[in-house]
Amino acid sequence: EAQVTQNPRYLITVTGKKLTVTCSQNMNHEYMSWYRQDPGLGLRQIYYSMNVEVTDKGDVPEGYKVSRKEKRNFPLILESPSPNQTSLYFCASSSIRSVLETQYFGPGTRLLVL
Amino acid sequence: AQSVTQLDSQVPVFEEAPVELRCNYSSSVSVYLFWYVQYPNQGLQLLLKYLSGSTLVKGINGFEAEFNKSQTSFHLRKPSVHISDTAEYFCAVLTGGGNKLTFGTGTQLKVEL
Repeated sequence: EAQVTQNPRYLITVTGKKLTVTCSQNMNHEYMSWYRQDPGLGLRQIYYSMNVEVTDKGDVPEGYKVSRKEKRNFPLILESPSPNQTSLYFCASSSIRSVLETQYFGPGTRLLVL
Repeated sequence: AQSVTQLDSQVPVFEEAPVELRCNYSSSVSVYLFWYVQYPNQGLQLLLKYLSGSTLVKGINGFEAEFNKSQTSFHLRKPSVHISDTAEYFCAVLTGGGNKLTFGTGTQLKVEL
């Protein structure tokens, strides 16, 4: 089954404790992206990657890091989480043939930073 | 930068009634528009997209949208909604030189009996 998986699905942490949210897709997609969803703000892109070792900032990259060492994986790293990073996070992927292709979203990771 | 505006944050509607969810985009020479749906506790999935050609676009689950260049709108419609259509709906536009989607703030559709 074609899918995007994220782990963990739920996470409670404390300010300053480094964490990683993993994202993996099994569709051989080149393009992957991270979004955060906040009430009243919709989805905002954090980082995206056009292919292995190619990443770029989205609209709200501050406080986040990403890496793309393998095609299927695109982890989101919060080096020193702060309460304003409490949010719902989604990973997405699509074929690079055209970003007009459908983006497939993971189920989301709900993060609470105390 | 291109953007989309969803003016209605919530739309309540009775089952079997028609519904229209509004989306307006900032004008541009070329625009590619999308509607995504998010069911409770799930990720987003594509409902439909406008790339070019016919201005009336049909999507999944009986939804359709009309691209209106003069009014810079891309409203989503369904002639008869079902309880299972209760979800949040996002309008999106392709931006960043074609490298990313920019989403609207979402419209919560609540279908009641």
